[in-house]
Amino acid sequence: NAGVTQTPKFRVLKTGQSMTLLCAQDMNHEYMYWYRQDPGMGLRLIHYSVGEGTTAKGEVPDGYNVSRLKKQNFLLGLESAAPSQTSVYFCASSSPGQNFYEQYFGPGTRLTVT
Amino acid sequence: GQSLEQPSEVTAVEGAIVQINCTYQTSGFYGLSWYQQHDGGAPTFLSYNALDGLEETGRFSSFLSRSDSYGYLLLQELQMKDSASYFCAVNGDSWGKLQFGAGTQVVVTP
Repeated sequence: NAGVTQTPKFRVLKTGQSMTLLCAQDMNHEYMYWYRQDPGMGLRLIHYSVGEGTTAKGEVPDGYNVSRLKKQNFLLGLESAAPSQTSVYFCASSSPGQNFYEQYFGPGTRLTVT
Repeated sequence: GQSLEQPSEVTAVEGAIVQINCTYQTSGFYGLSWYQQHDGGAPTFLSYNALDGLEETGRFSSFLSRSDSYGYLLLQELQMKDSASYFCAVNGDSWGKLQFGAGTQVVVTP
């Protein structure tokens, strides 16, 4: 099993450009999450999904959109990138039930907006 | 407001014991989680406390006091590979959403 994978690993964008980050998991998890991590800070939740076709806002959703068309995939979109969105983006997944609290993270996408 | 407080850095020698404290103030609370993150890597789950008391997993233990809004992670028999950042995170609801502290960098010296 690959676990949680993220594409791409690195990306440089110019201000105003758009892009989509892809997260895929092969653990059949219902819940998926997108976080961002800035230097010296903890992770902050951007958006999350509790099942196929559902999405909800997290702590810092402005400037981002998401979609969960398939259970195994969770996409994060930046419509018009800004330098403030320079960050490392992590996707995570978990399963409801007894171990709902244990999240599995992908390797991250390092995004620079110039 | 909502916040999690933990020390920014702790340095210790191999074989020592380190305790990382975490105090939290959040609107919802299901439990307190701990994650480890090596430089440039993905966070990995270490432990979870939903009830008061101590949970032990090998060399790592985690403690929670809900009445004090306080928890700690105890790292015993420190090894060089334990040099990493450690994050406490509050599970605020049953959807598993996490609110993270800023992290504690643990530096293990020979």
